[in-house]
Amino acid sequence: ILNVEQSPQSLHVQEGDSTNFTCSFPSSNFYALHWYRWETAKSPEALFVMTLNGDEKKKGRISATLNTKEGYSYLYIKGSQPEDSATYLCASTNTNAGKSTFGDGTTLTVKP
Amino acid sequence: DAMVIQNPRYQVTQFGKPVTLSCSQTLNHNVMYWYQQKSSQAPKLLFHYYDKDFNNEADTPDNFQSRRPNTSFCFLDIRSPGLGDAAMYLCATSRDRGPTAGETQYFGPGTRLLVL
Repeated sequence: ILNVEQSPQSLHVQEGDSTNFTCSFPSSNFYALHWYRWETAKSPEALFVMTLNGDEKKKGRISATLNTKEGYSYLYIKGSQPEDSATYLCASTNTNAGKSTFGDGTTLTVKP
Repeated sequence: DAMVIQNPRYQVTQFGKPVTLSCSQTLNHNVMYWYQQKSSQAPKLLFHYYDKDFNNEADTPDNFQSRRPNTSFCFLDIRSPGLGDAAMYLCATSRDRGPTAGETQYFGPGTRLLVL
């Protein structure tokens, strides 16, 4: 069983602040790392998938980086807006398990 | 729009009374998953179907069963719900499954189950 950890568990920021949080995963037999955003009362939706060490992905004000050698990924949000309030889940797939293991998520609240 | 639909969004059942949650997809994906998610915890994979091939997780209780009568539909049956089964149940699909695919999953909005 993979151990995927996310920190912090929750985060409260003011509108306009930039923020980041972390996903840690086992680096051995790594294959892919997914980030999902889960807004209240909606479906979790995929943000990024990364597979290569050093990958960086960007979607609007949100970006993510990947370090497969040390087993972590950062998600950055620049100039947070209230609509960014959600739980952000990461999921790691390794070549042995053949399926994704999710972290507990980081719940972000952006105050106007 | 292609999507994953779960019904109902909220389900209340009585302790020990069988309950079925449903999931349908218009994505024509091969793989369908059922997850259980309790407050502030990671979604826990219960089982998945790769086409008609059922794959149960080792730690999924026997109380949980699943059916996939066709590509579009998948059901989660809880034979005798206990208080500990109260949770959010998420259905997801992917075109293929990892590791070689590392496939992105598409989720439904979930069904929140309350057991009285």
